[in-house]
Amino acid sequence: QQQVKQSPQSLIVQKGGISIINCAYENTAFDYFPWYQQFPGKGPALLIAIRPDVSEKKEGRFTISFNKSAKQFSLHIMDSQPGDSATYFCAASMNSGYSTLTFGKGTMLLVSP
Amino acid sequence: DSGVTQTPKHLITATGQRVTLRCSPRSGDLSVYWYQQSLDQGLQFLIQYYNGEERAKGNILERFSAQQFPDLHSELNLSSLELGDSALYFCASSPRDRRETQYFGPGTRLLVL
Repeated sequence: QQQVKQSPQSLIVQKGGISIINCAYENTAFDYFPWYQQFPGKGPALLIAIRPDVSEKKEGRFTISFNKSAKQFSLHIMDSQPGDSATYFCAASMNSGYSTLTFGKGTMLLVSP
Repeated sequence: DSGVTQTPKHLITATGQRVTLRCSPRSGDLSVYWYQQSLDQGLQFLIQYYNGEERAKGNILERFSAQQFPDLHSELNLSSLELGDSALYFCASSPRDRRETQYFGPGTRLLVL
């Protein structure tokens, strides 16, 4: 059973555009939602995370939007750059993040110059 | 560089064989997590250790086992290997005061022929 569904599977965005990746979860006990960025040949790295007590969190060009009633959250990358080309994973966990992470299947983002 | 080290970087072996993957967490981190990443299944949580004790189990096969040693390094043992075990294996660790944040190592790429 896939508890975190991520879309799209791949995404091509022009430089300067907005990249949007969506995730939906099923387990209402999830209370910590991080996004990880993975470059080829590297391990995933934490990009930004949100807890359900806020609807939005912004760090630089990266924003998480969270909709608790719809059980959805999304990552927005503003002014996308070629260096943002990577695979992005959403994830969810329980107990304020102290439980293990359940990952979405990933979105391969390509930002064209 | 996350501070998590994994050896070896690449491993090629034959079906039926047994291999051991090694992970050293970041200095001071007590939690170690193991993940398997394949193209079709994405990032799957295998097992977590905290200060030498098994804390959580995910989709880990009975042919796989792990342990965390007193110096906090961890080993993942994969036995009776099958072609389908070919994947990237990641180790992650998390700090005591921010256990929700997982730092991933560079991974071990296992190819079973």
